[in-house]
Amino acid sequence: NAGVMQNPRHLVRRRGQEARLRCSPMKGHSHVYWYRQLPEEGLKFMVYLQKENIIDESGMPKERFSAEFPKEGPSILRIQQVVRGDSAAYFCASSPNGAGGHTGELFFGEGSRLTVL
Amino acid sequence: AQSVSQHNHHVILSEAASLELGCNYSYGGTVNLFWYVQYPGQHLQLLLKYFSGDPLVKGIKGFEAEFIKSKFSFNLRKPSVQWSDTAEYFCAAAPSGSARQLTFGSGTQLTVLP
Repeated sequence: NAGVMQNPRHLVRRRGQEARLRCSPMKGHSHVYWYRQLPEEGLKFMVYLQKENIIDESGMPKERFSAEFPKEGPSILRIQQVVRGDSAAYFCASSPNGAGGHTGELFFGEGSRLTVL
Repeated sequence: AQSVSQHNHHVILSEAASLELGCNYSYGGTVNLFWYVQYPGQHLQLLLKYFSGDPLVKGIKGFEAEFIKSKFSFNLRKPSVQWSDTAEYFCAAAPSGSARQLTFGSGTQLTVLP
């Protein structure tokens, strides 16, 4: 489970700056998910990506947020012009290729905690 | 739309007490069900999962959960909690055959007093 690597673990930004969060999935996993955990709330789905494709972004705010998972390198969640309400823990998870079908089991990273001043 | 409800936001128990955390899901089709645990400062870890078969599933650290289809429930239980069980517990559900969108409950913070 520790194979999902997220960085940075903690990020502090001032309002209006950009935040970039990175996620390297477990070896052999090509499905990446981003979740947001607001204070005292559960995890909320944001986006599901496969290599070079966004599969489901129904949980992404319409503005300022974007995600990518390039052919080479980690997945990146980008938040432009951050506001205080963006302060949260952002968790990345991965799942293996679809051999045997998708089971729904995800493997999580340790999260990136964004604080907007 | 799929949803997962956890009834208790915060549960406080003494060591050796029995634990039951409620979870109900709302979904019209067949679902896979999960309990994840998040220890302080750590990532989410899978506690146990139900896909099919025996509705009573056993997980790590003495936890178990029972899937009751008629009640749309998947409650988590442990006969005797320990101080080290202090953590946040999340119930989650996903449509069978799809990892497209795992839906989480809002979580239950369990505090076990020594």
